[in-house]
Amino acid sequence: GQNIDQPTEMTATEGAIVQINCTYQTSGFNGLFWYQQHAGEAPTFLSYNVLDGLEEKGRFSSFLSRSKGYSYLLLKELQMKDSASYLCAVRALRNYGQNFVFGPGTRLSVLP
Amino acid sequence: DGGITQSPKYLFRKEGQNVTLSCEQNLNHDAMYWYRQDPGQGLRLIYYSQIVNDFQKGDIAEGYSVSREKKESFPLTVTSAQKNPTAFYLCASNRDVTKNIQYFGAGTRLSVL
Repeated sequence: GQNIDQPTEMTATEGAIVQINCTYQTSGFNGLFWYQQHAGEAPTFLSYNVLDGLEEKGRFSSFLSRSKGYSYLLLKELQMKDSASYLCAVRALRNYGQNFVFGPGTRLSVLP
Repeated sequence: DGGITQSPKYLFRKEGQNVTLSCEQNLNHDAMYWYRQDPGQGLRLIYYSQIVNDFQKGDIAEGYSVSREKKESFPLTVTSAQKNPTAFYLCASNRDVTKNIQYFGAGTRLSVL
């Protein structure tokens, strides 16, 4: 079956670095995405990996290892506004065609 | 500004009632999606459409129906057959189903009276 795992909750301090891990088991992998979602709002796109390695975008970086079915999102210089849920999603082959599988999300709390 | 508009933001349903959630996009995207989000769970796909006049069931289509008569619009009806409709509903789109980034609307929170 298709499965994505993430930690449920994490806490970090303002100014620190935090790493949110995501492991997946899917068929027909075709890209991994990270989204940020503030409570009651729409998810917004953060990053995309389809090949192994690190993608950097400002304070956010995302890493992918396809052989290990593993990704992480790295947030640097944490700010209070980074308190949100972070969703890991994989585009994979479903029984109704290629589509997205979402993990349960990791709720990050940034403390002063 | 281009984007995805969902309405209403909050919706209440009575027992036995059908309700329709609106989703409109002006991004000229071919593919549109409906997801349901429950606390502690990932987004689950209800229906998706790759092109006008075509749509496919996702993981949890029972009790829901959709239409895609126009490229810009993909309304979702929550029927009385859906016994546990209370959830946060998100509409999304991307240029086509094989392309990358999905963009999301702000969501509709549906509750049962």
